[in-house]
Amino acid sequence: KQEVTQIPAALSVPEGENLVLNCSFTDSAIYNLQWFRQDPGKGLTSLLLIQSSQREQTSGRLNASLDKSSGRSTLYIAASQPGDSATYLCAVRGNAGNMLTFGGGTRLMVKP
Amino acid sequence: EPEVTQTPSHQVTQMGQEVILRCVPISNHLYFYWYRQILGQKVEFLVSFYNNEISEKSEIFDDQFSVERPDGSNFTLKIRSTKLEDSAMYFCASSGRSGANVLTFGAGSRLTVL
Repeated sequence: KQEVTQIPAALSVPEGENLVLNCSFTDSAIYNLQWFRQDPGKGLTSLLLIQSSQREQTSGRLNASLDKSSGRSTLYIAASQPGDSATYLCAVRGNAGNMLTFGGGTRLMVKP
Repeated sequence: EPEVTQTPSHQVTQMGQEVILRCVPISNHLYFYWYRQILGQKVEFLVSFYNNEISEKSEIFDDQFSVERPDGSNFTLKIRSTKLEDSAMYFCASSGRSGANVLTFGAGSRLTVL
């Protein structure tokens, strides 16, 4: 059974810092990995999707990398801003079926 | 930008009552999903739906749960006899022609069972 873990569970940084969020998964037989942002009481907003054949994806100040063989992904946020404060979730889709397995999230606070 | 719409945003119900949560997926999407998040816990998969039938379901999705696409736009989740442990945020999601596409989630329906 796939297990997804995110470290750290919470992170507080001053504005402007570059930061890295980590995601690990136990079964490397994945189809893709997706990073989401969740604001308090709100839904999930997709940030980046990495297919299993890809190594990384970039969108603006966000860069996600995938090392499938070691079961790891990182989300890099450059020049963090207070508006980046949210919970970041990673989720993996296995090779069979469409279900996503989510990690517990990293709660990020960027202080002005 | 197209979005997934969920109603109600919050529902309070008594234990044992039936609840229906409604979702309007993105219009040209073909794959539909329900996930839930119990407060303080991970987001969990419940069920996926394609071509008017369940394509996959989790252990959570027992006989108390059912899904339906009653018309061309709505996608519903019914809980027949709610339990205290059904209290959670329920998220609907949809994806495009391929199930491998990005999932678009709704804002969620918070269910509180008393």
